[in-house]
Amino acid sequence: QQQVKQSPQSLIVQKGGISIINCAYENTAFDYFPWYQQFPGKGPALLIAIRPDVSEKKEGRFTISFNKSAKQFSLHIMDSQPGDSATYFCAASTISSGSARQLTFGSGTQLTVLP
Amino acid sequence: EADIYQTPRYLVIGTGKKITLECSQTMGHDKMYWYQQDPGMELHLIHYSYGVNSTEKGDLSSESTVSRIRTEHFPLTLESARPSHTSQYLCASSDPTLYSNYNEQFFGPGTRLTVL
Repeated sequence: QQQVKQSPQSLIVQKGGISIINCAYENTAFDYFPWYQQFPGKGPALLIAIRPDVSEKKEGRFTISFNKSAKQFSLHIMDSQPGDSATYFCAASTISSGSARQLTFGSGTQLTVLP
Repeated sequence: EADIYQTPRYLVIGTGKKITLECSQTMGHDKMYWYQQDPGMELHLIHYSYGVNSTEKGDLSSESTVSRIRTEHFPLTLESARPSHTSQYLCASSDPTLYSNYNEQFFGPGTRLTVL
């Protein structure tokens, strides 16, 4: 059972365009929603994250939009650049035993930004 | 950049061999995690630890085992490798920051394991 559903699986955008990746979740216990960026041969790196008490968070060209009632959140990359080409994972987090947080990942979106 | 290291980066090994994947972090983080990731696919948590001498199994069942004898070290062992174990294994660590208890996870570069 996939608790975080991510779409699209792949995305091709022209340089300067807007990239939009969507995620949906079911578990209302999730209380932290990070996005990770992964380049080939590397581990994922935290890009931006949001808590459910806000509807939007912006950091540079990256914006998370969060809709708590719909249990959906999305990543918008403005002015997309070829260097943004990577795999993007949304995730959702909740507390597990011993205060260790478990991350549940979406299936990933492979973004290609054409020059 | 996070100081979390994994060795080896690549490993090709025959069926039935015992292997240990190493993970070390120099950030003093209490919590550490192992994920399994097939190429282009999502990450699945297979083990985690919230401190020395504590280990828990994650969502994805795995034949591997882990140990946490020292804070900085969280090795993963496969007693008898099989082709079905072929995958990428990612180690991560986290600790609450002063301003947040959301335990941002920092990932290592991963070990790509191929079992022939």
